[in-house]
Amino acid sequence: GQQLNQSPQSMFIQEGEDVSMNCTSSSIFNTWLWYKQEPGEGPVLLIALYKAGELTSNGRLTAQFGITRKDSFLNISASIPSDVGIYFCAGRDLGGADGLTFGKGTHLIIQP
Amino acid sequence: DAGVIQSPRHEVTEMGQEVTLRCKPISGHDYLFWYRQTMMRGLELLIYFNNNVPIDDSGMPEDRFSAKMPNASFSTLKIQPSEPRDSAVYFCASSFRGYEQYFGPGTRLTVT
Repeated sequence: GQQLNQSPQSMFIQEGEDVSMNCTSSSIFNTWLWYKQEPGEGPVLLIALYKAGELTSNGRLTAQFGITRKDSFLNISASIPSDVGIYFCAGRDLGGADGLTFGKGTHLIIQP
Repeated sequence: DAGVIQSPRHEVTEMGQEVTLRCKPISGHDYLFWYRQTMMRGLELLIYFNNNVPIDDSGMPEDRFSAKMPNASFSTLKIQPSEPRDSAVYFCASSFRGYEQYFGPGTRLTVT
């Protein structure tokens, strides 16, 4: 099956810094989604991407669907304490299966 | 509008017992997904339904797991008999036309 490589696994940053994380896949995806999960909760959808090259923003968050359809990145600008959590990329492959394949997550820790 | 509802939020049971997890998807959504999350394996798709019909159950670990969706507003995931290695957080998610998936808060299952 597909594999998603998400990096970095964890990030320790100072409040106010920008954050960048990315995902690469072993196959072509037609959808990329980015989720955030906080302790004891389910993943919350942040951004959805449907076209190669698409760049979409949600407040301080910006995500892009890679031209090759095998990668995506998420940037967070001017991080604040409430950005702490685990960020997951997820993709749906071109074969038409509707279930999502998830990356292992990037654990974001912000030091005041 | 209510999101995806799951019950119970926590379940502790002894090995060999039957466990039933419940999910109410977002009204109007035609896809329902069951995922399992563990530290070792991350988020894994178990099974998904479209218009109450199971489409892909290739992620179900073994015959001890079964899922049903008797109507558009209710689904169950059953484990019988349960084993300690089934301990995980189980998520239900729903979507409209298979695009953006919205997750419930999860059920934390502990099998002793």
